[in-house]
Amino acid sequence: DTEVTQTPKHLVMGMTNKKSLKCEQHMGHRAMYWYKQKAKKPPELMFVYSYEKLSINESVPSRFSPECPNSSLLNLHLHALQPEDSALYLCASSQVADRGTYGYTFGSGTRLTVV
Amino acid sequence: QKEVEQNSGPLSVPEGAIASLNCTYSDRGSQSFFWYRQYSGKSPELIMFIYSNGDKEDGRFTAQLNKASQYVSLLIRDSQPSDSATYLCAVTSSGGSYIPTFGRGTSLIVHP
Repeated sequence: DTEVTQTPKHLVMGMTNKKSLKCEQHMGHRAMYWYKQKAKKPPELMFVYSYEKLSINESVPSRFSPECPNSSLLNLHLHALQPEDSALYLCASSQVADRGTYGYTFGSGTRLTVV
Repeated sequence: QKEVEQNSGPLSVPEGAIASLNCTYSDRGSQSFFWYRQYSGKSPELIMFIYSNGDKEDGRFTAQLNKASQYVSLLIRDSQPSDSATYLCAVTSSGGSYIPTFGRGTSLIVHP
């Protein structure tokens, strides 16, 4: 299995809603990531989990809350989002080696629209 | 501030030609270099990575790394319309962090 699976593929939510994005991989990768991508921009790092522990939080607002229940799963809990949070949310995973990684495997993304 | 620079394009090439995509980076201690392809509305897909100076070939793709000049390039031979996409360069720098810095991407258009 060489895939990262993200659900849902599309999500429309109101500013008072609570929703969660899910990500799953079975490649044995021990690093997992959340990225946010706006149109015609590069992916922007949000969170990094390494060996199921949060290792990087790129000053993301608290309305985004990550969770890593086990080595295969990664969630992103959303609450009280703003319209400017509308974007493509990407999950990625990678092996971790001494010299870094061998690159990311990205999921297909969740297209989020906040209304 | 570690920077990765790419020409946003679009780079337009005819079908069958060689497409050359370039990327420069500011951190001389950078160690790992990646090229991702991203079709419109889709997620990025890793197509090449390179660590050492020189060329690395994989099918129609060749990555070229020149650490002295701080650039990495991607050549696509026999370009096809299906190669039309945005190509993102990503660089992992020194200091133990394995988090890459992404360039803004180059849009490639291969016209029949």
